[in-house]
Amino acid sequence: QSVLTQPPSVSGAPGQKVTISCTGSSSNIGAGYDVHWYQQLPGTAPKLLIYGNNNRPSGVPDRFSGSKSGTSASLAITGLQADDEADYYCQSFDSSLSDSRVFGGGTKLTVL
Amino acid sequence: EVQLVDSGGGLVQPGRSLRLSCTGSGFTFGEYAMTWVRQAPGKGLEWVGFIRREVHGGTAEYAVSVKGRFSISRDDSKSVAYLQMNSLKTDDTAVYYCARYSSCRGGICYSGGWFDPWGQGTLVTVSS
Repeated sequence: QSVLTQPPSVSGAPGQKVTISCTGSSSNIGAGYDVHWYQQLPGTAPKLLIYGNNNRPSGVPDRFSGSKSGTSASLAITGLQADDEADYYCQSFDSSLSDSRVFGGGTKLTVL
Repeated sequence: EVQLVDSGGGLVQPGRSLRLSCTGSGFTFGEYAMTWVRQAPGKGLEWVGFIRREVHGGTAEYAVSVKGRFSISRDDSKSVAYLQMNSLKTDDTAVYYCARYSSCRGGICYSGGWFDPWGQGTLVTVSS
């Protein structure tokens, strides 16, 4: 059971928008700790997609955006493309756990 | 180009030891904390531990699942971080990734850092 909760899967047609949620608690996201997102294409290492809740590293398209409110964060992907099909993970810091750096369980995005 | 290369994985029997290496290039290795993350077959990402910069004491923190069995060290002169894994269990079977840890960018610091870039990963299989 992950400290941060993500839906196991989401799907959307090309061109559509999807949103992936990441729900935490008062000891991580709700305590003000920032949220980061990673994209893991099949058979490859994870890649940083969003840092500090809503910042894109250079090279990441502006179709990807992040937000945070209360104890939750979200990743939105607009204009879905076939090569967006991947696993997406949120990550934050938890002040109540020995395992301080925590990941969500991951969400599999399927482009229909 | 900023790059990390993971190496040292392989097949090992339960109870034995293995040391993984993470070699960095394209950046000043000693200016960053380094972290290890693993991914069991078909599963999600699990944080293993990280090591601070030498100027911050070079100390390490570990996940509960590996504490007392795994240790992280670094040799900044060689731009390498190590993950020493002892008393290996079958549950430790996973792809192990190293990643550079950052919490500031563009003059702005954030509470709780992120991992970027990642190495390509190295597979550790613990089996008799």
